[in-house]
Amino acid sequence: NAGVMQNPRHLVRRRGQEARLRCSPMKGHSHVYWYRQLPEEGLKFMVYLQKENIIDESGMPKERFSAEFPKEGPSILRIQQVVRGDSAAYFCASSPAPDGYTFGSGTRLTVV
Amino acid sequence: GENVEQHPSTLSVQEGDSAVIKCTYSDSASNYFPWYKQELGKRPQLIIDIRSNVGEKKDQRIAVTLNKTAKHFSLHITETQPEDSAVYFCAASRGGGNKLTFGTGTQLKVEL
Repeated sequence: NAGVMQNPRHLVRRRGQEARLRCSPMKGHSHVYWYRQLPEEGLKFMVYLQKENIIDESGMPKERFSAEFPKEGPSILRIQQVVRGDSAAYFCASSPAPDGYTFGSGTRLTVV
Repeated sequence: GENVEQHPSTLSVQEGDSAVIKCTYSDSASNYFPWYKQELGKRPQLIIDIRSNVGEKKDQRIAVTLNKTAKHFSLHITETQPEDSAVYFCAASRGGGNKLTFGTGTQLKVEL
């Protein structure tokens, strides 16, 4: 079992560009969560998805951010028109059922 | 919403000593309390968790206690080793797929 796979590990974008972060959950896991971690801070919940459904997006900024988990393929976190404040580590986690989930290695986004 | 406070923010102990990290939460409906260990530049890893129907759980050198009345839970690490050095995060959730709310982290340093 390869674990939760996130790519890319590092992503550099210029201000105004789009960032796409991908997360492949562990085999058999149908619950996916995205968290953001600013430097030297804790993790902040962004969104919880199941296949083709957004269950809870209460942590998502109202603009520029979107997430999906299609029937086939990885979950995608998309950030449009990135700004310097979007620089952070973005972690995806998956679970076969609610609770007790496993985190991926994260994508470290740097906006220059 | 839920608010989780974690203390101390930094903790230095001598190898072989015990370390205790404390968290309080605000949402009386929270019933799932995991602890994560995060080494520099790596993903958070679940080290132990507890549900509200038990007061204490132990796994080798690690134990967690929960006081639901006081809305307080703690991580205890005995016989600390240098490899225990990392940032530790507590979290709370209502379970059933609800988001985790994380504390701000404790930087544990185990000195030789």
